[in-house]
Amino acid sequence: DSGVTQTPKHLITATGQRVTLRCSPRSGDLSVYWYQQSLDQGLQFLIQYYNGEERAKGNILERFSAQQFPDLHSELNLSSLELGDSALYFCASSEGLAGVFETQYFGPGTRLLVL
Amino acid sequence: SQQGEEDPQALSIQEGENATMNCSYKTSINNLQWYRQNSGRGLVHLILIRSNEREKHSGRLRVTLDTSKKSSSLLITASRAADTASYFCATDKANYGQNFVFGPGTRLSVLP
Repeated sequence: DSGVTQTPKHLITATGQRVTLRCSPRSGDLSVYWYQQSLDQGLQFLIQYYNGEERAKGNILERFSAQQFPDLHSELNLSSLELGDSALYFCASSEGLAGVFETQYFGPGTRLLVL
Repeated sequence: SQQGEEDPQALSIQEGENATMNCSYKTSINNLQWYRQNSGRGLVHLILIRSNEREKHSGRLRVTLDTSKKSSSLLITASRAADTASYFCATDKANYGQNFVFGPGTRLSVLP
């Protein structure tokens, strides 16, 4: 158990809909990272937040947005969903802001299926 | 193509044998990490090796890094069925603030 929790575990929705994925980092970790894992794209970094502020952006679509709250939990919002958004979405956390120098602890993921 | 790419894509061995996976990358790095993922689950950190290190050990794991060849290898000795998983290398780019780029992974199957 990494100490990172994600809800929900599974999500089935229809195209055009909007969903929110939630992540609670390990106690004491200030950075949260979001990743998308699909069969064709592999594991793609989406975005990082550090202590409530956006720190780095990866391959995140404009239809997607995220935020980190004062209690450090984070939410990833996916809107106007398309079939291709079906994937595993992982949240990870680390102690500081320098993700490249730190171990990231991954949550169990949310499996999203868009029908 | 990707910053980090693992090779082979898939590997099947018998319990007790050693498994070697390789990772190649394209640009200079600060460090390289190896992660394991059991089917459909979150990634688990295995080992971090910094660009000024050449070899690190952790239990049955041995990681080497050759910055001149821009490659790393992960060796699992005396493999067990429980080692069956996908293994990913994650590299940064040697600019502060860049986040990890994960390769496509090597799928290891250890047969009892």
